[in-house]
Amino acid sequence: GIQVEQSPPDLILQEGANSTLRCNFSDSVNNLQWFHQNPWGQLINLFYIPSGTKQNGRLSATTVATERYSLLYISSSQTTDSGVYFCAASNSGYSTLTFGKGTMLLVSP
Amino acid sequence: GAVVSQHPSRVICKSGTSVKIECRSLDFQATTMFWYRQFPKQSLMLMATSNEGSKATYEQGVEKDKFLINHASLTLSTLTVTSAHPEDSSFYICSARDRRHTGELFFGEGSRLTVL
Repeated sequence: GIQVEQSPPDLILQEGANSTLRCNFSDSVNNLQWFHQNPWGQLINLFYIPSGTKQNGRLSATTVATERYSLLYISSSQTTDSGVYFCAASNSGYSTLTFGKGTMLLVSP
Repeated sequence: GAVVSQHPSRVICKSGTSVKIECRSLDFQATTMFWYRQFPKQSLMLMATSNEGSKATYEQGVEKDKFLINHASLTLSTLTVTSAHPEDSSFYICSARDRRHTGELFFGEGSRLTVL
């Protein structure tokens, strides 16, 4: 199956700083999603982005499918951005997602 | 986006008892739902694929007799942890694909199981 690797594993930022999270995958994908897991465990859908670039407020994401990586950008970080960010991918239309190990983000005031 | 709801969000049970977790797609029909398990400070691992009207498909290493999955309708899948033991304590999350949002998976709030 597809392998998904995320970096960095941990990230500590001061409020207001920008950050880039990376996701590498081992095969071509037809589904790639970014999630934020909040302190209560719920997965919040951030982006569905098998290719291209999308933006939503302070967050944006880019997937370069030919080079098998995706990036999640967080600008002007806030304390509420803290949590675990997961990248997940699949290479089959009806299969589920394989998750990376996540990036634990802590934004301090 | 689509809404997937799980119940209960937290459950504590005694060792040896069975616990049922429900996963509902609230505003769409889901022929396929997926059940994941997440241990503390770890990633999500797929347990099984739940197919409406047919048997679930389990991942290698997941005991199908311990984790019973029933997908009786297009909006409801249930996971029953039978004869629960403390090592079954975990966070269980379901997901479903809404065909109106091609390819995108949506997740429930998760259910935290603690077996005493």
